[in-house]
Amino acid sequence: DTAVSQTPKYLVTQMGNDKSIKCEQNLGHDTMYWYKQDSKKFLKIMFSYNNKELIINETVPNRFSPKSPDKAHLNLHINSLELGDSAVYFCASSQRGQHNYGYTFGSGTRLTVV
Amino acid sequence: DAKTTQPPSMDCAEGRAANLPCNHSTISGNEYVYWYRQIHSQGPQYIIHGLKNNETNEMASLIITEDRKSSTLILPHATLRDTAVYYCIVRVSFGNEKLTFGTGTRLTIIP
Repeated sequence: DTAVSQTPKYLVTQMGNDKSIKCEQNLGHDTMYWYKQDSKKFLKIMFSYNNKELIINETVPNRFSPKSPDKAHLNLHINSLELGDSAVYFCASSQRGQHNYGYTFGSGTRLTVV
Repeated sequence: DAKTTQPPSMDCAEGRAANLPCNHSTISGNEYVYWYRQIHSQGPQYIIHGLKNNETNEMASLIITEDRKSSTLILPHATLRDTAVYYCIVRVSFGNEKLTFGTGTRLTIIP
């Protein structure tokens, strides 16, 4: 199936730990994103990469470091996890210049920091 | 990107047409109107978009007023699976890649 896939789907971890979330898309898109949805259900963009180059960084703390080894992958590494990092993280992709199908989102990773 | 205003919630009877309004009075000439929805616990899903003409696809219809200051998303025969939060987003299609979500309209389909 063509899709945006994220792993893991659920992640429970203790404060202070370091964790990674992986994202892969097989749609041939050249742009990928990370969004955060907090407990109040607000969806906010965190990062955007186009062909492995960072193009959007929405003043996210330095503890969050995205990595794009190629245009089909955008991983999110989080250092020193805090309680406030608990949220659902969505990966998405799109093709720059082609808006006919919008963004395609993954199914989300629910991160719980205890 | 222009700001949009949507009612926080709406109900619609199953089988009827659901009409979701959106105001975007400050829209610019090169900005498109996009609609996405988020079904509980899932990622947002693209529905439809348009510039100035009315659009229809297998999911919905989009009606944009002539002055482009408002639009309506129409789900012609709503089913229980259409219960979701619907987001109206206005953005430039080229050059600005950021998709900014507002608070949306929570649509509940009533059996």
